[in-house]
Amino acid sequence: GIQVEQSPPDLILQEGANSTLRCNFSDSVNNLQWFHQNPWGQLINLFYIPSGTKQNGRLSATTVATERYSLLYISSSQTTDSGVYFCAVEGSGGYQKVTFGTGTKLQVIP
Amino acid sequence: ETGVTQTPRHLVMGMTNKKSLKCEQHLGHNAMYWYKQSAKKPLELMFVYNFKEQTENNSVPSRFSPECPNSSHLFLHLHTLQPEDSALYLCASSQGGASPQFFGPGTRLTVL
Repeated sequence: GIQVEQSPPDLILQEGANSTLRCNFSDSVNNLQWFHQNPWGQLINLFYIPSGTKQNGRLSATTVATERYSLLYISSSQTTDSGVYFCAVEGSGGYQKVTFGTGTKLQVIP
Repeated sequence: ETGVTQTPRHLVMGMTNKKSLKCEQHLGHNAMYWYKQSAKKPLELMFVYNFKEQTENNSVPSRFSPECPNSSHLFLHLHTLQPEDSALYLCASSQGGASPQFFGPGTRLTVL
């Protein structure tokens, strides 16, 4: 099956700093989502981005499907950004069979 | 609030117990999913339902038994679980096809 790798696995930022999270995948995809999991376990949709670039406030994401990676940018980080960020892909082999990456654990300190 | 609710939020059960997890989506979606999230492991897809029909079973042991009576409700029936089944169980829904999935808050299960 498709392999999904995220980097870095852990990240500590000072409040106000910017960061880039990366997601590499091993095969072509129909679908790619970025999620933020808060400390209580809730997964929040950030972006649905199989290709191209999207922005939502301080967050933006870019997926280059031909090169099999996606980037999540966080600017002017806040303590509420802390949590785990997951990339999830749906391989072209079949819809709805989603594979999650191992996540990037982000801690933003004041 | 994502439009997907799960109950209970926490559950402690013995290995001989039978319990059920419930998921409900209020988004008008056609597809529903169960995922398992264990410590130190990525989320694992367990089951997929489309229009109440199971379309994916990701080699899940038979002690986990899903039920989807309609497109808005999904259950996971649990019996004779093992301590290693302790995890966060997450439900999701989507419109189907290549579309975004929306997750519930999860049920944190502990098997003693």
